Amino acid sequence: SQQGEEDPQALSIQEGENATMNCSYKTSINNLQWYRQNSGRGLVHLILIRSNEREKHSGRLRVTLDTSKKSSSLLITASRAADTASYFCATDAKYGGSQGNLIFGKGTKLSVKP
Amino acid sequence: SAVISQKPSRDICQRGTSLTIQCQVDSQVTMMFWYRQQPGQSLTLIATANQGSEATYESGFVIDKFPISRPNLTFSTLTVSNMSPEDSSIYLCSAGQGVFSYEQYFGPGTRLTVT
Repeated sequence: SQQGEEDPQALSIQEGENATMNCSYKTSINNLQWYRQNSGRGLVHLILIRSNEREKHSGRLRVTLDTSKKSSSLLITASRAADTASYFCATDAKYGGSQGNLIFGKGTKLSVKP
Repeated sequence: SAVISQKPSRDICQRGTSLTIQCQVDSQVTMMFWYRQQPGQSLTLIATANQGSEATYESGFVIDKFPISRPNLTFSTLTVSNMSPEDSSIYLCSAGQGVFSYEQYFGPGTRLTVT
C-alpha cells in the first residue's frame, strides 16, 4: 500500500531558523496534505496541495510537490517555539479501493528551542 | 471547516471490557473516519463510518472487534471490544466533505489505556 515517509524522523532547531521536512510516497495521488499534531492531541490540517500544483504558501508555510519524484516538502520559516509538534504528510490515493482515504506517513518530530 | 468533539477524552479500562467512543461534528458531513494511533506511531485508518449502512473496514480491522455506528450525518461511535493491552492507543475521529475525503478535520482524540 502507498504510504508517506517523512524525513527526518526528528528535527531540532533554534527559534528563528527555518525547518524543512520531506515526504515521499509510492503511487499516484489526487492530493497531498500536511497536518500538525501537538503532543497527545488531535491533528490540525495545515495545507493541501493538489496533484496539478507545484507549490503552495500559507503564512509561514511553504509546500512543494514533485509528482515525478513522488515527493513533497514542508518548509516552516522563522520558526517559533509554538511550532514544536509532530508533522505528518497524508496522501489521497488516485486509484484503487482506498480511493478517498488518507494514508499517513510516520511523521517528523520538530523541536524548536527558544 | 468543522469542529469535532470526542468523548471520553481518556479512559483506563480493564482487559476484557469494552469502551464506546463518541464523535460529534458541529455540522453535517459526508464522510466520517476512525483512526488508531499507537504510542509514538503514525495514524492508521480503522474504518470509514457510513451513514445508514455498515462501516467499511480496512485490512486488519474487523467489525466484531471495532463495531461502528453512524446514525446520522453529525454523529458516530466506535466501540473497542474485548480489550487487551495491545489496544492501548489514541483513537481519533475525523470528518470530511464530498465523495472524496480531501481535507479532513480531526477530533482531539481519546487516549485509551488497557490494564
